[in-house]
Parts: sequence; C-alpha cells; structure tokens
Amino acid sequence: GAVVSQHPSWVICKSGTSVKIECRSLDFQATTMFWYRQFPKQSLMLMATSNEGSKATYEQGVEKDKFLINHASLTLSTLTVTSAHPEDSSFYICSGPTSRTNTEAFFGQGTRLTVV
Amino acid sequence: DQQVKQNSPSLSVQEGRISILNCDYTNSMFDYFLWYKKYPAEGPTFLISISSIKDKNEDGRFTVFLNKSAKHLSLHIVPSQPGDSAVYFCAPPRYDKIIFGKGTRLHILP
Repeated sequence: GAVVSQHPSWVICKSGTSVKIECRSLDFQATTMFWYRQFPKQSLMLMATSNEGSKATYEQGVEKDKFLINHASLTLSTLTVTSAHPEDSSFYICSGPTSRTNTEAFFGQGTRLTVV
Repeated sequence: DQQVKQNSPSLSVQEGRISILNCDYTNSMFDYFLWYKKYPAEGPTFLISISSIKDKNEDGRFTVFLNKSAKHLSLHIVPSQPGDSAVYFCAPPRYDKIIFGKGTRLHILP
C-alpha cells in the first residue's frame, strides 16, 4: 500500500510557541491530504482537508488561525499549531486520499503533541 | 458521524475464539466499506474492505459480511490473537476521505 510518513512522532513544546508537523506521501502524489485529531479515549476527528496550491478546507469548529495548514507540493502537507496551549495537546494524524483504485486511505503514524 | 454506528464501545473475547464486531449504517448509497484497526499512539491501518455488490470478503483470519437489506456489516476474526487487541473502525469512504465513528475496542483475553 501507499506510504505516508509523519514527522515528528512526538513533540513537547512550551505554551505560546508554535509547532510544525509534517506529512509526506512517499510513493504517491496527492492534491489533497487530511488532518485528524484524537483526544484520549475518543475517536479520530477530521480537522481539515489540505489542498495542494490552495487554501485548506476546515471542518466546523476548527480554528483555522490556530491550525495553519500548508500544502506546498504534491508530496508534503504541514500542520502548524500556533500559539499552542495545553488544551492543544493531542494526537494528530494525517492521511492521503482514497481513490477509485485504492479505496482505502493510508495514514501516517501520528504525532503526539504535549504542550506544557 | 451518525451515518455509521458501532453500538458496542468495547468487546472482550478469549484468545482462540471468534471476535465479531458489528456496524450499522443508514445511507444505502455507500459503495465500499472499510475496516481499520488502530493501536494506541499509532495511525489507523487498513484491515479489509467490502464492496456493496458483495456480501462477503475474506482475507486470512478476517472476514467481513455485508447484509444490505439490514444495512449491517460485521467483521469476524478467527481465531482471535493477542495482537488483535485494538480499536476497530467501520468507515465507508466519503468521496476522497474517511470519516470515523466511535469504533469498538477489542480486548483479547489470555
């Protein structure tokens, strides 16, 4: 299957700082990628759709100024958590798109963000 | 996501026995159903899928059954192994993305 690589796997940052998480598709190109967030003991919540060369599409309730998404190339999407606060601590996961030939989407390994 | 429901938040099964995870849906227009498995602090991994034109798909220890008239899916794992302990999600693709429901946490007991 397709490979999605996410970096870093975990990061600890101080309140008020910004953190960037990278999501790379290693063996395919994607005009869209997706970012999810998981709270403890909860399901994966779709945050936004990253669109190559254009603005991201955010799900309802997700602050676009807090979670900046950039999709500068067909193999890289980044999520920047700006002015992080402890409540932003979570597990963030990216994925590639589904398609007609590969109906399943492939996910990165996730990034554990802890804001102290 | 209310279009897909996994009504059992958790399930405990003895090692070696059959695990059956259930999923109900409301939208009869779904073309495919996907099952994902997720370990803590890892991304979900694709397990098995079924097309809406089939009623069964088998891959090793994993079999998914689709009952279109009842709008019901089930994933059977037999025999269950300790490494099967994880959260399982039933998720039809929505255009080009996956929307996850609450999932079912499977515990395989020694």
